[in-house]
Amino acid sequence: NAGVTQTPKFRVLKTGQSMTLLCAQDMNHEYMYWYRQDPGMGLRLIHYSVGEGTTAKGEVPDGYNVSRLKKQNFLLGLESAAPSQTSVYFCASSDRTHQPQHFGDGTRLSIL
Amino acid sequence: DQQVKQNSPSLSVQEGRISILNCDYTNSMFDYFLWYKKYPAEGPTFLISISSIKDKNEDGRFTVFLNKSAKHLSLHIVPSQPGDSAVYFCAALSNTNAGKSTFGDGTTLTVKP
Repeated sequence: NAGVTQTPKFRVLKTGQSMTLLCAQDMNHEYMYWYRQDPGMGLRLIHYSVGEGTTAKGEVPDGYNVSRLKKQNFLLGLESAAPSQTSVYFCASSDRTHQPQHFGDGTRLSIL
Repeated sequence: DQQVKQNSPSLSVQEGRISILNCDYTNSMFDYFLWYKKYPAEGPTFLISISSIKDKNEDGRFTVFLNKSAKHLSLHIVPSQPGDSAVYFCAALSNTNAGKSTFGDGTTLTVKP
């Protein structure tokens, strides 16, 4: 009953370092999403995917890249981390549009 | 310009009373609305949804009302329980938006015993 699993749960980076956040879902969902949540704010969409091999930009895509090589995995990359990217990152999946999204428990990322 | 707004950052109610959380939107193309609940250190979980062809949807203690002319929806929790204390987000989708949800900033509900 894993649902959506995010790895890692916590990470501290130095400015300029790179890293990849992994999201895995076991529900065979077509759609996957990456969001960031900053204090006092809602979820803002970074990138999303409507199927294996597809990706598209969301509301705040700058500084991030994504890949969806396998249906069950959605990777979020930071090529050169900046302090403004300090946030909590949530991955979500849904069967199709106009369906509830299932969220992971988040990755708390701090960039010094 | 924020398309989905939750104007009350916080709400405090007594156990057993009604909690009413509000959400306003500006985009008339939104046709599906959801409420999510979030506990600290966890991801949001789906609570209840409503399609724009309806004006009410009920699930146990939770009821969502939609007023399309006012571009307003509300979530009613009756009776409120201490375990309902969480952050509640409303979200909206449109058919033209490829499944992308637009979220409000959330309302923190505290239910006092």
